[in-house]
Amino acid sequence: EIVLTQSPTTMAASPGEKVTLTCRASSSVSYMHWYQQRSGTSPKLWIYETSKLASGVPNRFSGSGSGTSYSLTINSMETEDAATYYCQQGSSYPPTFGAGTKLELK
Amino acid sequence: EVQLVESGGGLVQPGRSMKLSCAASGFTFNNYDMAWVCQAPKKGLEWVATISYDGSSTYYRDSVKGRFTISRDNAKSTLYLQMDSLRSEDTATYYCASHTMGTPFDYWGQGVMVTVSS
Repeated sequence: EIVLTQSPTTMAASPGEKVTLTCRASSSVSYMHWYQQRSGTSPKLWIYETSKLASGVPNRFSGSGSGTSYSLTINSMETEDAATYYCQQGSSYPPTFGAGTKLELK
Repeated sequence: EVQLVESGGGLVQPGRSMKLSCAASGFTFNNYDMAWVCQAPKKGLEWVATISYDGSSTYYRDSVKGRFTISRDNAKSTLYLQMDSLRSEDTATYYCASHTMGTPFDYWGQGVMVTVSS
């Protein structure tokens, strides 16, 4: 099973600040998906196949990476972006998730 | 609008059974593979099981194999998860989601809480 390690575990960012979350895989994967989960709600697909934004996701978000290293970037932090972000790989069975990065507003 | 509404959760004793349901609407249910994903309290997400659009193929994480059964009724647009021999470590919120192996989990329900405790 591929283990996904997300860093940092928790971070705080000020409005307007650039944010980068990382996800490292224990073995190479073909692509990475990202989910946003706001407090008390269900997860939402946010970025799929490494860099494609899901419907309705603001274009201040972007995704990149390959092999064992992937990242999600927010160009300019906004209040509504405070949430936990999970990476997920599906190119190797079984599908696995990272433990999440909790992004808070400073 | 895609809607997935889970039901059937609650408190259950260790070793007992529980069946979850997920009612789907807003899309052609019988065209989509479906899955269950769980989230233990204050923890991350964990894939549980996936079933193909016609029910002919099923996939399970190792820890639930032989105890959980995923099924579907396309005539009722409903997904199920039969959970037997429940353990305390099965305590979690269970989400149904549209999912084909190898692709992302596209749409998620609101989740249903299952607590396994004596």
